[in-house]
Amino acid sequence: DAGVIQSPRHEVTEMGQEVTLRCKPISGHDYLFWYRQTMMRGLELLIYFNNNVPIDDSGMPEDRFSAKMPNASFSTLKIQPSEPRDSAVYFCASSLSGTGSEKLFFGSGTQLSVL
Amino acid sequence: EDQVTQSPEALRLQEGESSSLNCSYTVSGLRGLFWYRQDPGKGPEFLFTLYSAGEEKEKERLKATLTKKESFLHITAPKPEDSATYLCAVQANNAGKSTFGDGTTLTVKP
Repeated sequence: DAGVIQSPRHEVTEMGQEVTLRCKPISGHDYLFWYRQTMMRGLELLIYFNNNVPIDDSGMPEDRFSAKMPNASFSTLKIQPSEPRDSAVYFCASSLSGTGSEKLFFGSGTQLSVL
Repeated sequence: EDQVTQSPEALRLQEGESSSLNCSYTVSGLRGLFWYRQDPGKGPEFLFTLYSAGEEKEKERLKATLTKKESFLHITAPKPEDSATYLCAVQANNAGKSTFGDGTTLTVKP
């Protein structure tokens, strides 16, 4: 398997623009997570899905952030409008329940810079 | 609320100098404690899962141990390629999500 695939790898945009990050989880995995990583706050969970249904979005910073999972093989994280404080590395991860460990498989991340 | 605290923040070792990383946690019923390794520019990579106090797991020069309040990642005779950030995470019973610590950045000098 190719692992968790994220795109783009890097995104540079101007304040106020819409940003869409994409994720393809590992085939067969039923959990999908969006994390954000910064030096100041470490790795923060934004939202996670189980079987394409959002379960916990309490980590989403504000209404400017939204996430969707229209099917088992695709998810998006959208920021509209973007702000400089959104600059971070955004990771997508997936896992398979019922295995006893629920270890996470992470993508390579999207480095977002909002100018 | 689940909490994970890792120490030290940074650790510099000479090649061959063994040491340990600490992960202290509070969780309402532990389902699993996880160790991940993260290299610069990459996502975290799974190393170990520990489920109950007294459990130990080993992989090459790494050994993870677990008590009711903390976990240790012991590194024996490290090599420069062991340089990375090591992240600890906990998952509570009946929780689908993991809570991460801030990590320990390990640098091993040749």
